[in-house]
Amino acid sequence: DSGVTQTPKHLITATGQRVTLRCSPRSGDLSVYWYQQSLDQGLQFLIQYYNGEERAKGNILERFSAQQFPDLHSELNLSSLELGDSALYFCASSVGGTPRNEQFFGPGTRLTVL
Amino acid sequence: AQSVTQLGSHVSVSEGALVLLRCNYSSSVPPYLFWYVQYPNQGLQLLLKYTTGATLVKGINGFEAEFKKSETSFHLTKPSAHMSDAAEYFCAVIAANAGGTSYGKLTFGQGTILTVHP
Repeated sequence: DSGVTQTPKHLITATGQRVTLRCSPRSGDLSVYWYQQSLDQGLQFLIQYYNGEERAKGNILERFSAQQFPDLHSELNLSSLELGDSALYFCASSVGGTPRNEQFFGPGTRLTVL
Repeated sequence: AQSVTQLGSHVSVSEGALVLLRCNYSSSVPPYLFWYVQYPNQGLQLLLKYTTGATLVKGINGFEAEFKKSETSFHLTKPSAHMSDAAEYFCAVIAANAGGTSYGKLTFGQGTILTVHP
């Protein structure tokens, strides 16, 4: 158990819908990262937050947005869902936000878009 | 920009045999390198990492990896495979001096599924 929690574990929805994935980092960690794992694209970095501020951005679609709240939990919002958005979404956290800091991964949220 | 190539999407070994999972990276700046393991229906767990210093790094569960700058490689090895090692393994790279939009971005390889036969 990494100490990172993600809810829900599974999510099934329809095309065109909007969903919110939630992540609670390990106690004391200030940085949160979101990754997408799909058969087509592999594991891809989406976005990083550090203490509430956006720190780094990957190839995150405009239909996707994220934020980190004052209590340091984070939410990833996916809208206008398409079949291709079906994937495993991981959250990770680290104590700092630098490349040296180890990222601890949560168990993931499996999103299925029908 | 960074990229990672893992040679072999599937590797099969016998229990007790040497495990060798290959990883080559591309980076325009000094890299930090990582190996993660993913068991079925679980998140990723860090096996080991190279940041600076000794190029041979030891990790959990008897795994080790050697950073070879001249070969741009970071291969993962274990002298004797156990059945419990069966999982998917990911090599990842991050720029040591990452800044701007790349700050915390881990770039992963495509993964290697390790199968261990009795």
